[in-house]
Amino acid sequence: GDSVTQMEGPVTLSEEAFLTINCTYTATGYPSLFWYVQYPGEGLQLLLKATKADDKGSNKGFEATYRKETTSFHLEKGSVQVSDSAVYFCALTSNTGGFKTIFGAGTRLFVKA
Amino acid sequence: SAVISQKPSRDICQRGTSLTIQCQVDSQVTMMFWYRQQPGQSLTLIATANQGSEATYESGFVIDKFPISRPNLTFSTLTVSNMSPEDSSIYLCSAAGLAGGGDTGELFFGEGSRLTVL
Repeated sequence: GDSVTQMEGPVTLSEEAFLTINCTYTATGYPSLFWYVQYPGEGLQLLLKATKADDKGSNKGFEATYRKETTSFHLEKGSVQVSDSAVYFCALTSNTGGFKTIFGAGTRLFVKA
Repeated sequence: SAVISQKPSRDICQRGTSLTIQCQVDSQVTMMFWYRQQPGQSLTLIATANQGSEATYESGFVIDKFPISRPNLTFSTLTVSNMSPEDSSIYLCSAAGLAGGGDTGELFFGEGSRLTVL
């Protein structure tokens, strides 16, 4: 079945450091790929998305590129802020056999001032 | 986008009792889902709430334990029945497929209902 694997956390960075959170997937068909973010005490919200190969999703300084050849969707940000501290979930949504979203395990990010 | 309201936001329950969580979406949506998120863990899909018919449950989840209703395109309930401490978790309602807005596969989430079973 479909699956999402993302790097384990927690990840601790200093403010203005470069961030990469790796995410790879396995899927039949052509899924859409997402990064969701969960701030402390809140529900999940969409950070960015890409619906086909080579698409780049971007939002709030974060970027991720849909790489079909490596089945990856790594999240990057050039300069993190304390306010970026949260849990980040990589996810795929597939319509093969019905609409279903599969989430990765989540990566907790701590950014120190 | 869609705004999802869940209630209760949190509750403390006694073993053996049942609790119903309500989920209201401010727009008509084609799909609604219920997830469970245990502390520090990822999201696990419990079921897809189908309007006017029985919910579709994922492996490991059954209707007797987690009955779900979805009477219309904006509202759903999840009941956690005969609770035990192992049911302590955050339960998240989500929705996709805004009516008339196309379907990008994005999920919208409520803030969750944190249940503690003693």
